[in-house]
Amino acid sequence: DAMVIQNPRYQVTQFGKPVTLSCSQTLNHNVMYWYQQKSSQAPKLLFHYYDKDFNNEADTPDNFQSRRPNTSFCFLDIRSPGLGDAAMYLCATSRDTGVTEAFFGQGTRLTVV
Amino acid sequence: QKEVEQNSGPLSVPEGAIASLNCTYSDRGSQSFFWYRQYSGKSPELIMFIYSNGDKEDGRFTAQLNKASQYVSLLIRDSQPSDSATYLCAVRSSGGYQKVTFGIGTKLQVIP
Repeated sequence: DAMVIQNPRYQVTQFGKPVTLSCSQTLNHNVMYWYQQKSSQAPKLLFHYYDKDFNNEADTPDNFQSRRPNTSFCFLDIRSPGLGDAAMYLCATSRDTGVTEAFFGQGTRLTVV
Repeated sequence: QKEVEQNSGPLSVPEGAIASLNCTYSDRGSQSFFWYRQYSGKSPELIMFIYSNGDKEDGRFTAQLNKASQYVSLLIRDSQPSDSATYLCAVRSSGGYQKVTFGIGTKLQVIP
C-alpha cells in the first residue's frame, strides 16, 4: 500500500496559471519535504515542514509556496509557473530530522505550456 | 565544491558482475548516508542507509562508509539487468535541521 501519495501524477498547466500539487501520507511522520528534480539533475530541496514549522531553503524562489493544514497533507503551490518550472516534484516524509530515512511519493510530473 | 559528488556515468557492467558506485561529501560532520535507486521517470526508492564506519550488507547490496575520507560507496553483487537505474547518494548534514542533500546520481547499465 502506498504510504506517500502524490496527486496528480501528471499535471499540465499554462504559463502563469497557478497550480497546486498535493501530497498525503499515512506514516504519521513529523517531517514532510518538497523536492524539485529536473532531468538528469539531483533532487533539489525546496522546503520542508517539521510538524507545523515551515523551513524554506534560501534559494527557493518566492513563486513557490507550501501549506500543511494537518499532519497528513502538504501542498505545493506555484503561483505563476514559468517554463523553467517544468520538472518532477517529489514529496517525501521522514519520522524526524535526525538519522532517519526519507520515503518518497511517486512524484508529480509538471509540464508548463 | 558540491556538497555531494557522484560520477554521473553511465557505468556499464556485465550481468553477474559487481557494480561499484561511489560518492564523496563535503560536510565532515554528516551523520547519516543513504542510497536511493531511481528508475527513469520514477521517484527515488530507498535501498540502504548507513550511519557507522565500515560495511553494511543487505542481500546483494553492501554499503561502505569511511567518514575520515568522507566517502561512501554501494556495491551491487551479481548485477542484474533489472538493476539498471540511476543510483542517488544522499547525505544528511550536521547542524540545523539536518537537511538531506542528494548527489546527481550515477547511471548504471547492466548488460545481459
